[in-house]
Amino acid sequence: EAGVAQSPRYKIIEKRQSVAFWCNPISGHATLYWYQQILGQGPKLLIQFQNNGVVDDSQLPKDRFSAERLKGVDSTLKIQPAKLEDSAVYLCASTFGLGTEAFFGQGTRLTVV
Amino acid sequence: GESVGLHLPTLSVQEGDNSIINCAYSNSASDYFIWYKQESGKGPQFIIDIRSNMDKRQGQRVTVLLNKTVKHLSLQIAATQPGDSAVYFCADAGGGKLIFGQGTELSVKP
Repeated sequence: EAGVAQSPRYKIIEKRQSVAFWCNPISGHATLYWYQQILGQGPKLLIQFQNNGVVDDSQLPKDRFSAERLKGVDSTLKIQPAKLEDSAVYLCASTFGLGTEAFFGQGTRLTVV
Repeated sequence: GESVGLHLPTLSVQEGDNSIINCAYSNSASDYFIWYKQESGKGPQFIIDIRSNMDKRQGQRVTVLLNKTVKHLSLQIAATQPGDSAVYFCADAGGGKLIFGQGTELSVKP
């Protein structure tokens, strides 16, 4: 069974530029999460989808971050414009349903200079 | 709001010894917890989970204990090996959410 796929693995951009991350969850997984993990900290939830609907985006900085999951499968997370403090690893996870084990991708390491 | 916290940011053990990593949570309604292992450059990897109708669950070399009275859970790793070196997170996975603590970095000395 293929795992959660994320791309790119690494990205370096200048502040005020825009960037997008892509996630392909495990086939059949209805719930998809995006997390931000700053070095030395635990993952912080940005947004949670159930199929193509948003369940929780309370911690998403909506002035600069956006995410979509149009067909209930793949998802993209965008930052525009990026700030230095956005430097982090962005993790995508998926689960078959609520209250079940979540599987994580390798993450995208973003460096904003 | 809900929070999950680990007691110690770092833990160093001798190879072959047992490791115990502790975690406290704040939401008394939480009913499902997961322990994750994260190696450098990788995403978190599922280790073991436990639901609130249990107080103990065992896996291969790992045991999770849940004390709902004091809102505390622990991860015990038996005969710790160098490959166990990683950051360990407990996560509150109840109610469809997945909230992580700060993590404990486990170092195994040969």
